[in-house]
Amino acid sequence: NAGVMQNPRHLVRRRGQEARLRCSPMKGHSHVYWYRQLPEEGLKFMVYLQKENIIDESGMPKERFSAEFPKEGPSILRIQQVVRGDSAAYFCASSPRRGEMNEQFFGPGTRLTVL
Amino acid sequence: GQQLNQSPQSMFIQEGEDVSMNCTSSSIFNTWLWYKQEPGEGPVLLIALYKAGELTSNGRLTAQFGITRKDSFLNISASIPSDVGIYFCAGTNDYKLSFGAGTTVTVRA
Repeated sequence: NAGVMQNPRHLVRRRGQEARLRCSPMKGHSHVYWYRQLPEEGLKFMVYLQKENIIDESGMPKERFSAEFPKEGPSILRIQQVVRGDSAAYFCASSPRRGEMNEQFFGPGTRLTVL
Repeated sequence: GQQLNQSPQSMFIQEGEDVSMNCTSSSIFNTWLWYKQEPGEGPVLLIALYKAGELTSNGRLTAQFGITRKDSFLNISASIPSDVGIYFCAGTNDYKLSFGAGTTVTVRA
């Protein structure tokens, strides 16, 4: 009964490159959330997706960041033309439902370093 | 997102001590969650609270959902070395979790 899977665990990119972060939710979970964590801070909400739908992307920067959760395959967080300020840990969480009793289970994260 | 104030920021414990931390918010929440994060890993859910006034235990952990719905606390009784890590509170009214900045628990030498 695997938990939330994320890969890669570590990603190094040079400024201007693209970063693609993948997340496979827990079995039976159709709700996926992405959070960003800067050093010594709590996690900050970025986006909430269900299969083939973006429900809430209010925490995503307006430019360069996009997310998808296709019918088949993992959810992808994509950062184009990365800058040093994008360096952070990006966590994906999943839940079986939305709303009351919404327990979100987190993956191990992808640590992005932009050189 | 909403700002949660978590305190203390850090604490040193000796094995066997009881540990307490709390979280306050300027807004009310319908759900409070407590997570533990270890270095290089994602947050692991410890306790979930759904009703104001609720007191819930999970082994040596006890958490309460404040009556005002604006606060929560977490107690760890009889701490052991593996309790070290960063503990986060999180509040939510639907799906968007708002996190505190964390309480770092370290074993006192």
